[in-house]
Amino acid sequence: DAGITQSPRHKVTETGTPVTLRCHQTENHRYMYWYRQDPGHGLRLIHYSYGVKDTDKGEVSDGYSVSRSKTEDFLLTLESATSSQTSVYFCAISETSGSINEQFFGPGTRLTVL
Amino acid sequence: EDQVTQSPEALRLQEGESSSLNCSYTVSGLRGLFWYRQDPGKGPEFLFTLYSAGEEKEKERLKATLTKKESFLHITAPKPEDSATYLCAVQLRGTSYGKLTFGQGTILTVHP
Repeated sequence: DAGITQSPRHKVTETGTPVTLRCHQTENHRYMYWYRQDPGHGLRLIHYSYGVKDTDKGEVSDGYSVSRSKTEDFLLTLESATSSQTSVYFCAISETSGSINEQFFGPGTRLTVL
Repeated sequence: EDQVTQSPEALRLQEGESSSLNCSYTVSGLRGLFWYRQDPGKGPEFLFTLYSAGEEKEKERLKATLTKKESFLHITAPKPEDSATYLCAVQLRGTSYGKLTFGQGTILTVHP
């Protein structure tokens, strides 16, 4: 998994509780991404980071926030979890190679919001 | 609207029966097209990057090709271990941070 770990790997939580997912990389790549994967929707980008403390929104960012205080760590926070955020979350990393960003994915976190 | 469509949704093959998966895209400007393999319960695994029409890449029993409107992933003499979901994604021109638009995937099952 290209030196990427995600924690926790599985989590069950209740509606309204805050949840933080962690992505850790050992590759020293500049870019980090959070995706969610749902049946019928494929992989969709939530937020991404292009450097320490530099983040921006993806296509499905409502209800999520992120932080990156170190190159190796990218956190995804659900401030108040809802059942619609039940999903599998993947972290990805990339390093620019010319203008192409080949992305490498972590093992995923399965989140269930009851 | 930029779209990526993969077909078929599911494909069942006998071991040794060659076939192709399709990824068609309607985007304003293509910077690169990527193929990934995803096993159940795991993250997508990078396979290939294609940059321009006419390009081909090979890896073991897999060969990816690219035209101006679509990409094919050809699987020659597949084995049961090739069973997985195959995803394609495109990166558009003007997206320096590497935003990818993914297709829904093709679920490949190879029977012994």
